[in-house]
Amino acid sequence: NAGVTQTPKFQVLKTGQSMTLQCAQDMNHNSMYWYRQDPGMGLRLIYYSASEGTTDKGEVPNGYNVSRLNKREFSLRLESAAPSQTSVYFCASSDLLRGAQETQYFGPGTRLLVL
Amino acid sequence: GESVGLHLPTLSVQEGDNSIINCAYSNSASDYFIWYKQESGKGPQFIIDIRSNMDKRQGQRVTVLLNKTVKHLSLQIAATQPGDSAVYFCAENGSSNTGKLIFGQGTTLQVKP
Repeated sequence: NAGVTQTPKFQVLKTGQSMTLQCAQDMNHNSMYWYRQDPGMGLRLIYYSASEGTTDKGEVPNGYNVSRLNKREFSLRLESAAPSQTSVYFCASSDLLRGAQETQYFGPGTRLLVL
Repeated sequence: GESVGLHLPTLSVQEGDNSIINCAYSNSASDYFIWYKQESGKGPQFIIDIRSNMDKRQGQRVTVLLNKTVKHLSLQIAATQPGDSAVYFCAENGSSNTGKLIFGQGTTLQVKP
């Protein structure tokens, strides 16, 4: 039981390049989330997927797209990377039971540097 | 707007002492609160959570206290150890039931040997 896994661990991009960050969970959770964390800051929600087949914007969605590929996988795409997207990206998953919030479990993160 | 904040950015304690990390929240509709620990270079790790129908919950060496009257959340760590050194985040679910969490900026706990 690996929990939440993310690939890659590190990535360096040039401005304008595109890439996809992958996330998978093996806990059979319905909900998945993408956050970014900037130095000395808390986590800010980029996009989330409350259930398979649905995605919604979070606090900072501009410059990103997401795909909920199936129940296990939720990817984050940067179509044209910008230096402002240099950050650490975390994926998380949780299971909403009967409409009640349940704990979010986080992956190890992807460290992205955009030059 | 919704916000979750922490009173102190850094807390330094002696090994063996008890630690108290505080958090203020602004959304009265929040009914779920959670504390995470984040070690350097790692993802946030769940510590303990509490729902608004409770005012105290205990785990192993940790206790979370919720005061809804003043919108205050605290994390108490008993007999703090060097391994407790990390950044601690509180989070609340705001007014939605979609599973979204709103995170505070974090408090760094430094444990002196």
